[in-house]
Amino acid sequence: DAKTTQPPSMDCAEGRAANLPCNHSTISGNEYVYWYRQIHSQGPQYIIHGLKNNETNEMASLIITEDRKSSTLILPHATLRDTAVYYCIAPSNTGKLIFGQGTTLQVKP
Amino acid sequence: DAGVTQSPTHLIKTRGQQVTLRCSPKSGHDTVSWYQQALGQGPQFIFQYYEEEERQRGNFPDRFSGHQFPNYSSELNVNALLLGDSALYLCASSLYTTQETQYFGPGTRLLVL
Repeated sequence: DAKTTQPPSMDCAEGRAANLPCNHSTISGNEYVYWYRQIHSQGPQYIIHGLKNNETNEMASLIITEDRKSSTLILPHATLRDTAVYYCIAPSNTGKLIFGQGTTLQVKP
Repeated sequence: DAGVTQSPTHLIKTRGQQVTLRCSPKSGHDTVSWYQQALGQGPQFIFQYYEEEERQRGNFPDRFSGHQFPNYSSELNVNALLLGDSALYLCASSLYTTQETQYFGPGTRLLVL
């Protein structure tokens, strides 16, 4: 698995966009970038994934740089319920997810 | 459509005992993975089951074993429990063809005294 690096914590004002960065400079050409989040005391929740094109779904957008060495997860209008630990993962097409420490996002009113 | 379910939700055991945790995958999924999450840490991969066989294993001792049934449900067994086995045990299901897109259950919280 490619190593990923994320800031340990971030704050965001409610209603504003939350932009969560992730570095994955060792990612190989066929490895996807996955984002999961874990709200306190719950199981992780799949958010989105991408290979090299930007992706959007009902939860978030994923922007991957052209060199694929970094990506940004965007929550367009953060709510208090988006407060969680966000994990950026680059599994090696093995199905084994390696969770790091993630980014704790605190959405404030 | 029911998501991933796990039972029991909480469990208290003593050192040396054995425990069995159960997981029912999301409808249509054929692959089950198990993770251990210690307090304040990210989940750690234990193993993955597909077609009733263990396909991958993380860095966990043989005391941790599992099983997958023909209906795709799964069990995680831990023998000779240690205090350090106290954790949240998470089950995740997926399709084998898109196995990195996993849907997690709420977990079973195990406390070993």
